[in-house]
Amino acid sequence: QVQLVESGGGVVQPGRSLRLSCAASGFSFSSYGMHWVRQTPGKGLEWVAVIWYDGSKKYYADSVKGRFTISRDNSKNTLYLEMTSLRADDTAAYYCARGVGSAYSTYYFDYWGQGTLVTVSS
Amino acid sequence: DIQMTQSPSSLSASVGDRVTITCRASQSISSNYLNWYQQKPGNAPKLLIYAASTLQSGVPSRFSGSASGTDFTLTISSLQPEDFATYYCQHSDSTPLFTFGPGTKVDIK
Repeated sequence: QVQLVESGGGVVQPGRSLRLSCAASGFSFSSYGMHWVRQTPGKGLEWVAVIWYDGSKKYYADSVKGRFTISRDNSKNTLYLEMTSLRADDTAAYYCARGVGSAYSTYYFDYWGQGTLVTVSS
Repeated sequence: DIQMTQSPSSLSASVGDRVTITCRASQSISSNYLNWYQQKPGNAPKLLIYAASTLQSGVPSRFSGSASGTDFTLTISSLQPEDFATYYCQHSDSTPLFTFGPGTKVDIK
């Protein structure tokens, strides 16, 4: 069955960096666009970034553009999110999600990981 | 950018009630790209309905979705104990940009 397992979250000081990972299994990872979505404590959902199935295109929410980098290693079935210059408002649960759609678009997210919590605090 | 609003923001209902949640887009959008998710406390969101009205595999038939202009509706025909959760609509466009509504919390009356 499809599984997405995030790791790498933790407590980090403002201005520091953190890398999240999402290990995928149970499907052909290299065939799907993959996303990061975050949720601040007690708040709603915010899409963060997408990378196309082949890694050729990457897009970001304005709130993280220039600070976060999404990447993938299709040989390891793993998605990454490199987060730099972290701020207090980046504190959230970060989910990876599989995108379903055509080659270079996503219509919806059909599988989600359990999330990893990132806390930015001094 | 297209903004998504949901109403109500929360509601209290009893088991067996019919529940309707509305999601409104700030401008016209294709129903092909409007989706609904359910989230229970401590869990990841779960896809319920995609393309406004198509039930995801394994989702009970008491859930349904519809579209009318810029308004999209999620209906639970007979609320069950396991349906108490927060529901989010979500829109995808070709920018690409993916926007979630603020959520509707359904709790027990």
